[in-house]
Amino acid sequence: AQKVTQAQTEISVVEKEDVTLDCVYETRDTTYYLFWYKQPPSGELVFLIRRNSFDEQNEISGRYSWNFQKSTSSFNFTITASQVVDSAVYFCALLEGSASKIIFGSGTRLSIRP
Amino acid sequence: DGGITQSPKYLFRKEGQNVTLSCEQNLNHDAMYWYRQDPGQGLRLIYYSQIVNDFQKGDIAEGYSVSREKKESFPLTVTSAQKNPTAFYLCASTMGFLNTEAFFGQGTRLTVV
Repeated sequence: AQKVTQAQTEISVVEKEDVTLDCVYETRDTTYYLFWYKQPPSGELVFLIRRNSFDEQNEISGRYSWNFQKSTSSFNFTITASQVVDSAVYFCALLEGSASKIIFGSGTRLSIRP
Repeated sequence: DGGITQSPKYLFRKEGQNVTLSCEQNLNHDAMYWYRQDPGQGLRLIYYSQIVNDFQKGDIAEGYSVSREKKESFPLTVTSAQKNPTAFYLCASTMGFLNTEAFFGQGTRLTVV
């Protein structure tokens, strides 16, 4: 069965600190996609990244970086030099090819203190 | 501009009444999804549809119903059988598995009084 675990319910750091949000997934499929979404207080989910199961290359986009490791079934998200505007709930999600449905983790609420 | 539109943004209903939440997309996406989010919790899948006139139950389908008569529309009805309907509801769509960025609507906050 597919499952996404975000063990960190809430994280609070001071501005400019680096912070890593963990995501561990379970799947029996060899073909799947992983996602990260940001949910600001307005409620709408904002797409951050998609990674397919055949591409383990890490990705960096500005202050954001993602570390995908199939050996540990993890897809962690790091924010470097955090800013107050990064405060939001972040969701990790999994899409299996066989299931054709997107399953979300429970989310991590990130608070960046000035 | 292409996107997903959910309406209304806020909805109040009396207990025991059915209510229908609208979700429309003009992205020509094949797949559409409904999720429920409770305060401080993640997103749970209610129903999803891969093609017109076909849909499948998600993890918490009891008390909900959907239809997919048109590609661009996937309305969700919250029935009186749903014991705790007050929540934030999000609709999403994807082109299909090979192009799978999911676009989300702005959500509907349903309050049953």
